[in-house]
Amino acid sequence: EDQVTQSPEALRLQEGESSSLNCSYTVSGLRGLFWYRQDPGKGPEFLFTLYSAGEEKEKERLKATLTKKESFLHITAPKPEDSATYLCAVQVSGGSNYKLTFGKGTLLTVNP
Amino acid sequence: DGGITQSPKYLFRKEGQNVTLSCEQNLNHDAMYWYRQDPGQGLRLIYYSQIVNDFQKGDIAEGYSVSREKKESFPLTVTSAQKNPTAFYLCASSSPGGSLHFGNGTRLTVT
Repeated sequence: EDQVTQSPEALRLQEGESSSLNCSYTVSGLRGLFWYRQDPGKGPEFLFTLYSAGEEKEKERLKATLTKKESFLHITAPKPEDSATYLCAVQVSGGSNYKLTFGKGTLLTVNP
Repeated sequence: DGGITQSPKYLFRKEGQNVTLSCEQNLNHDAMYWYRQDPGQGLRLIYYSQIVNDFQKGDIAEGYSVSREKKESFPLTVTSAQKNPTAFYLCASSSPGGSLHFGNGTRLTVT
């Protein structure tokens, strides 16, 4: 069974304190790994897609990396507006081209 | 602006009543999805549709029904057979191989 595990469940940082969120996955074959940001009461907002080990993508203070077993979302010098729940999802190769399996998310709080 | 519109934002129903959640997109995407989100759980797929007049069950389809009569619309009916209907419901769409674009959800409370 395909599994996606995110850690930690919650992370509290001071403004400017860099850290990383983890997404580990167990799948038969990875077609793509997705990162989303979700604000309270809103739908998830797409951040990145990673397709192969070694791939990295950046957007402002966020950088996503991918290995064969896990992905990291690095947050450099976070600001309070980065506070949100970050979701990781995988798309499995050989399965439905449209189906994603999500982790439970990491709730990030950045204090000023 | 292109996007996905879910309505209403909040919905309250009595137990035993069916209720329909609306989802409309103007992104010209072929595929549409319904997910359910509960506290402490990941998003779980209810139904998805790759083309008009066709849809497939997701992981938790029991107690739900959908239709896809138009490319732009994918309404979800929560029936009285759904044992725990209170949840946050998210609609999404995508192009082939593309990422999911989500609406802002409907919070359904059944008492």
